[in-house]
Amino acid sequence: EDQVTQSPEALRLQEGESSSLNCSYTVSGLRGLFWYRQDPGKGPEFLFTLYSAGEEKEKERLKATLTKKESFLHITAPKPEDSATYLCAARVAGATNKLIFGTGTLLAVQP
Amino acid sequence: SQTIHQWPATLVQPVGSPLSLECTVEGTSNPNLYWYRQAAGRGLQLLFYSVGIGQISSEVPQNLSASRPQDRQFILSSKKLLLSDSGFYLCAVGSSGANVLTFGAGSRLTVL
Repeated sequence: EDQVTQSPEALRLQEGESSSLNCSYTVSGLRGLFWYRQDPGKGPEFLFTLYSAGEEKEKERLKATLTKKESFLHITAPKPEDSATYLCAARVAGATNKLIFGTGTLLAVQP
Repeated sequence: SQTIHQWPATLVQPVGSPLSLECTVEGTSNPNLYWYRQAAGRGLQLLFYSVGIGQISSEVPQNLSASRPQDRQFILSSKKLLLSDSGFYLCAVGSSGANVLTFGAGSRLTVL
């Protein structure tokens, strides 16, 4: 069964304290690993897509990496505005953009 | 660029009442459309997807149904709501050839 697991469930950081979020996946025929940011009461906002092991992508203080079994979202020197839930999703083989989502990591960055 | 409209934004309904959530899309044609549900403590669950007018695929057997009467309109319905239907319902758009799904702002449904 296709599955995506994120850890930790919640993470509290001090402003400037770097850390990483984990997303492990077990899917048949990965067609992309996606990271989204979701603010309370809003829809997810796309951050990155990774397609192959070893690939990295960066955006401001965020960097996503991918291996054959997991993906990491590294947050460097976070700011309070980085507080949100970060969702990981795996696109599985098929004719549609079917995404299997993890339950997310709730990140709180304190000033 | 795509714009996704979802309404209502918030809804409180009694058990056994009907439901209609609407999603309309601007800025694209012939999109793939998706309904996801996000329940507390659970990941986003794909409910339905549509690749064209009148074409609906169901991912999870449930109390809900979906329809696509127009190219850029996607409707989620129920004849009789259950308590377990409570959640945050998200409409998403996947354009042809694009891998990224764009989500709407969501509709919060509470069934009492």
